[in-house]
Amino acid sequence: GAVVSQHPSWVICKSGTSVKIECRSLDFQATTMFWYRQFPKQSLMLMATSNEGSKATYEQGVEKDKFLINHASLTLSTLTVTSAHPEDSSFYICSARDYGETYEQYFGPGTRLTVT
Amino acid sequence: GEDVEQSLFLSVREGDSSVINCTYTDSSSTYLYWYKQEPGAGLQLLTYIFSNMDMKQDQRLTVLLNKKDKHLSLRIADTQTGDSAIYFCAETPDKLIFGTGTRLQVFP
Repeated sequence: GAVVSQHPSWVICKSGTSVKIECRSLDFQATTMFWYRQFPKQSLMLMATSNEGSKATYEQGVEKDKFLINHASLTLSTLTVTSAHPEDSSFYICSARDYGETYEQYFGPGTRLTVT
Repeated sequence: GEDVEQSLFLSVREGDSSVINCTYTDSSSTYLYWYKQEPGAGLQLLTYIFSNMDMKQDQRLTVLLNKKDKHLSLRIADTQTGDSAIYFCAETPDKLIFGTGTRLQVFP
């Protein structure tokens, strides 16, 4: 149990276009989902925390108008990178916390975004 | 600010023990975690320790926590080539703060 999927697993897009990444909890309800960004050979940086049915909380320095997060249901959160630029190229990972659990987050396999 | 530090690289021979160290900063962290990341993949939770514990053992994994020094370690006994990966410690007062990651390389 406790599987989190991401789609797509990789995407290449042109500068100026928008890309949507989906994060799904497959067998549990996730009241809270997290979006991380990871640059090559670096650690994960928390971008935002999203709670189902409410606005996402963004970390300092993360542009909320550029990285749109929607958590419309208990099993789905989406991250849209708007007007993507090459510097947005990165590995994006989501995680989900099972309702009622306080200590464990389940991570998706990640989405590699390349902006040309 | 919050800053979780780890040594960047560790190389061990197959069959030896590996010890990965982590220094965290937030004494209010309730849980401390160890995650494993293989190339191009997401994170896999290996183990965690509650802040009121000093040690936790789970098969080949032993976690030691020194709250006074804010030091956390992960020992992997009988290290195998399949253990080669990046290991992240993480603390969580309310959200996960990851360490810088330690790349473990296991050679035969």
